[in-house]
Amino acid sequence: GAVVSQHPSWVICKSGTSVKIECRSLDFQATTMFWYRQFPKQSLMLMATSNEGSKATYEQGVEKDKFLINHASLTLSTLTVTSAHPEDSSFYICSASSPGLTNEKLFFGSGTQLSVL
Amino acid sequence: AQSVTQLDSQVPVFEEAPVELRCNYSSSVSVYLFWYVQYPNQGLQLLLKYLSGSTLVKGINGFEAEFNKSQTSFHLRKPSVHISDTAEYFCAVTLKAAGNKLTFGGGTRVLVKP
Repeated sequence: GAVVSQHPSWVICKSGTSVKIECRSLDFQATTMFWYRQFPKQSLMLMATSNEGSKATYEQGVEKDKFLINHASLTLSTLTVTSAHPEDSSFYICSASSPGLTNEKLFFGSGTQLSVL
Repeated sequence: AQSVTQLDSQVPVFEEAPVELRCNYSSSVSVYLFWYVQYPNQGLQLLLKYLSGSTLVKGINGFEAEFNKSQTSFHLRKPSVHISDTAEYFCAVTLKAAGNKLTFGGGTRVLVKP
């Protein structure tokens, strides 16, 4: 089946630094990728939707200048947390879909645990 | 906009006992419904989905769910749980025209006791 690879699986960084998270579709072309954020013991909240070759669409309340999303190719989307602060510590999960896959098939990455000191 | 409510935040259950996780949704248009499982520090794995047709859906690991349109529910069940079923379970919906943009419920933590 389709596989989505997300790296790194965990990262610790100092406050004020930037962190990049990669999401790759390994065996299909992902025209659309979604980025979610999950706080401890809470549900997943959609942050943004990215379509290959165009600007990402951010959900209300998500700072686009802080969470930079790039979807430059059909197999790679990146989320960069800029000037990270402790409150950005969270579990970030990407998912990918393609028009070639049936509508209901959405594949998730394994997530990235970000800890900002 | 659609929303999803998982009525139980935590469900303790003994091994080999049955379990039911409740999920209700609200939407003014037709939706697709999903259940996902999340093991600690991992991403989500699809358990099952309802798109159309038979309202009783069977998924992986012995789970099944029943879509009830009149009650706007999609409860998840397993007749006999294992220790390995200890995890977080999420109900999710997407509008049929939304292109995989999921709305998740708050999650239900299942703790299987020996």
